[in-house]
Amino acid sequence: DGGITQSPKYLFRKEGQNVTLSCEQNLNHDAMYWYRQDPGQGLRLIYYSQIVNDFQKGDIAEGYSVSREKKESFPLTVTSAQKNPTAFYLCASSIDLASGSGTGELFFGEGSRLTVL
Amino acid sequence: AQKITQTQPGMFVQEKEAVTLDCTYDTSDPSYGLFWYKQPSSGEMIFLIYQGSYDQQNATEGRYSLNFQKARKSANLVISASQLGDSAMYFCAMRGGYNFGNEKLTFGTGTRLTIIP
Repeated sequence: DGGITQSPKYLFRKEGQNVTLSCEQNLNHDAMYWYRQDPGQGLRLIYYSQIVNDFQKGDIAEGYSVSREKKESFPLTVTSAQKNPTAFYLCASSIDLASGSGTGELFFGEGSRLTVL
Repeated sequence: AQKITQTQPGMFVQEKEAVTLDCTYDTSDPSYGLFWYKQPSSGEMIFLIYQGSYDQQNATEGRYSLNFQKARKSANLVISASQLGDSAMYFCAMRGGYNFGNEKLTFGTGTRLTIIP
């Protein structure tokens, strides 16, 4: 079945460590996104990528890094520079709006919950 | 810049009653799209309904309808005949027009809906 797979589902990290969250999609979507969710704050955009080898900062990119070497994959690294990394992280994908088809809805993975000890 | 406002942090509704979740938005784009997502306690994001800014009719999907009032910049979600399984967080979101680069969604802070038996 087509969809988005995020791993791991739960991750514990010690302060000062970098961690990488995996996101893979088989929907053949061009655009991919990382959102962060904190209680009571909704979803905030960290990074997004519209094509391979290109990505843009979102609203809260500081302390995070991404890569887009393949269309199917968009891993997120939470670096030690991120001051408060404990959160729920959601990866999503969508079609290219310029194609003129569809609504542009985002398809989400099941999320990764990161806890810093 | 786009902004979504959801002013109801939480709502309690009796089973089988209808419920309206409020959403107002702000954008300078003449073309845009509005979305509602449901997030159960498991964390997954479930797409419910979409409204395009140029759509003449209010969107409907089964028990969900979107009360779109463009002049008031309002996009309220109406759930008819609520069920216990409707208990979840609900997010309103928007994107820009059908142009490359407008795919990312801006989310509101959400409303936690609890259905009472």
